[in-house]
Formats: sequence, C-alpha cells, structure tokens
Amino acid sequence: DQQVKQNSPSLSVQEGRISILNCDYTNSMFDYFLWYKKYPAEGPTFLISISSIKDKNEDGRFTVFLNKSAKHLSLHIVPSQPGDSAVYFCAASVSSSNTGKLIFGQGTTLQVKP
Amino acid sequence: DTAVSQTPKYLVTQMGNDKSIKCEQNLGHDTMYWYKQDSKKFLKIMFSYNNKELIINETVPNRFSPKSPDKAHLNLHINSLELGDSAVYFCASSQTGAGYGYTFGSGTRLTVV
Repeated sequence: DQQVKQNSPSLSVQEGRISILNCDYTNSMFDYFLWYKKYPAEGPTFLISISSIKDKNEDGRFTVFLNKSAKHLSLHIVPSQPGDSAVYFCAASVSSSNTGKLIFGQGTTLQVKP
Repeated sequence: DTAVSQTPKYLVTQMGNDKSIKCEQNLGHDTMYWYKQDSKKFLKIMFSYNNKELIINETVPNRFSPKSPDKAHLNLHINSLELGDSAVYFCASSQTGAGYGYTFGSGTRLTVV
C-alpha cells in the first residue's frame, strides 16, 4: 500500500522552461511534505518543504504547491537548468507522530536539455 | 568533512553470508534511520533510533539487526543474506520530530550473488 505516489517516472524539459513534478498521497494524516533531489551514486538531499497550513512555499527557483483537498502536491522549477537533472523524491510525514518517519514516493527522473 | 558517512559504498557477497554496513553522523542529530531503496526505486524505512533507542521497526526480516552504540552511529547487520536483499541501503539522520529534513549518506549498494 503505497501512500505516496509519483506517477510520472520521468520528465524531460528544455533549459529555461518550467519543470513540474507531481506527487499524490492517500493518507489524510500527513501534514508535512518535503522534496528531495538525488544525483547518481549520492544520497538524496533536502530541497524544499511545506506544512499543511500553507498551500505554497517558494525558495528561489523552486516552489512547492499543496492542494490538500486533492491530496496532491507539485514542485515547480523555473527556470529549469541542466544542473537540475536528477531524480526528485517527494516525501510525507505525520508531525504529531514525533518519530520523524518519512514516507517517500518512487521518484521522478528529470532531464533538462540544454 | 562528510555529515553522514556510510561504509562500504559497494558490497558484493554470496548468499548465506553475514555482512555489516556502518553509518556515522557528525551533525549532532539525535535520530538516525536506515532506508532501503529496492528495485522499484521506492525508499522504504526499515529502522529508526532516537538517542540509541529503537523507535521504528518496520516489517523487516529478523535477519536484519540494527545496532546503535551511541547517537552518532547506527550500524546494520544482515545475517544469512538472500538474493532479495540486493538493494541500495541509505542511512540518514535528523533532529527529533517530523518536519526536520533528513541528511542522507551516499548509500551502500549491496549485491548478493
């Protein structure tokens, strides 16, 4: 039972354009969401997060949108750069559990073409 | 000056062997985790320790035994390795409570032949 799903295994965009990565979740208890970026042979690195009390969080070229009613979040990268090419994981947690446990999606591979 | 370091990075071993993966963090975090990335690329939590105390133990075969000698170290020992154990294992650390992003190690690619 996969509670966090990234239904697009891959995405290819042109440099300078917008990249939109999507993530869906099923557990309504999730109230904190994160995006991680992973390069080959490295561990995932934290990118951006959002609490369920917000519907948008922005950090430079990266913006995460949360639609709680649809149980959907998305990561927008504008403008996309070749160095953004990586695997992007979304993750979700229940903050009241206090365990720090994150549930990850299976990742979307983003390729940004020069 | 690596924040979360795992050793070894690659491990190839035969079925039935016992092996260990070591993890150390120098971030002063109080919680450490082991995640497994399987062939379908999902990152699934296996164990979590908070200040040397086991707080998460997912449905993992008891051939897998974590050990945390102190809050900066979390090792993973695997007995009687099976082909299905082949995966990438990631160690991570965080400060207590959800909402704090993990810092991951670079992973250990385990191949059982």
